[in-house]
Amino acid sequence: QVQLVQSGAEVKKPGASLKLSCKTSGFTFSSYSMHWVRQAPGQRPEWMGWVNGVNGARNYSPKFQDRVTITTDTTATTAYMELSSLSPEDTAVYYCARGYCSSSDCFWTPGYWGQGTLVTVSS
Amino acid sequence: EIVLTQSPGTLSLSPGERATLSCRASQSVSSNRLAWYQQKPGQAPRLVMYGASSRGTAIPDRFSGTGSGTDFTLTISRLEPEDFAVYYCLQFENSLPVTFGAGTKVEIK
Repeated sequence: QVQLVQSGAEVKKPGASLKLSCKTSGFTFSSYSMHWVRQAPGQRPEWMGWVNGVNGARNYSPKFQDRVTITTDTTATTAYMELSSLSPEDTAVYYCARGYCSSSDCFWTPGYWGQGTLVTVSS
Repeated sequence: EIVLTQSPGTLSLSPGERATLSCRASQSVSSNRLAWYQQKPGQAPRLVMYGASSRGTAIPDRFSGTGSGTDFTLTISRLEPEDFAVYYCLQFENSLPVTFGAGTKVEIK
């Protein structure tokens, strides 16, 4: 079955960078889109960006364009998200998610989610 | 940026009642680029509806989605105890950014 297992909680200082991982199994990693979505406490989810597993193309939300990088390691079937210049406003749960597949087709829509990684940014 | 406005903010209903959730977009959204998610406390979002009207995996048929253009609706025909949660709509039209609505909380009356 599709599984996405994310790395553990992190505490960071303002100005630092973070790199989160999302280890996947149960599917052919290079065939699917992978998304990163974050959710601050009590807020709506916020889409950060995605990578096209087929051709490697990446798109980032304009809000994060200058400080986010999404990468993949196909051999390790793992996706990574790096975020730089952290501030307390980056305190959130960060999720990776894979594109959804029905019984007959696959879609861009995030449909399988990791368990989330809590990131706390505090001095 | 396409803004999604969800209403109502909170829906207080009893099990067995019908829930109607609205998601209105500031610009037209293609139906195949509109999704709904259910989220319970401490859990990741769960895909309820993709393509505006297709149910996600293991989503019961009491959930239905309709709409086009700027107005979309998620209906739960008869609420079960496990349906009480927050529901978000999501759009991903070609122009970034991808956006979520602020959510509708369906709570037990």
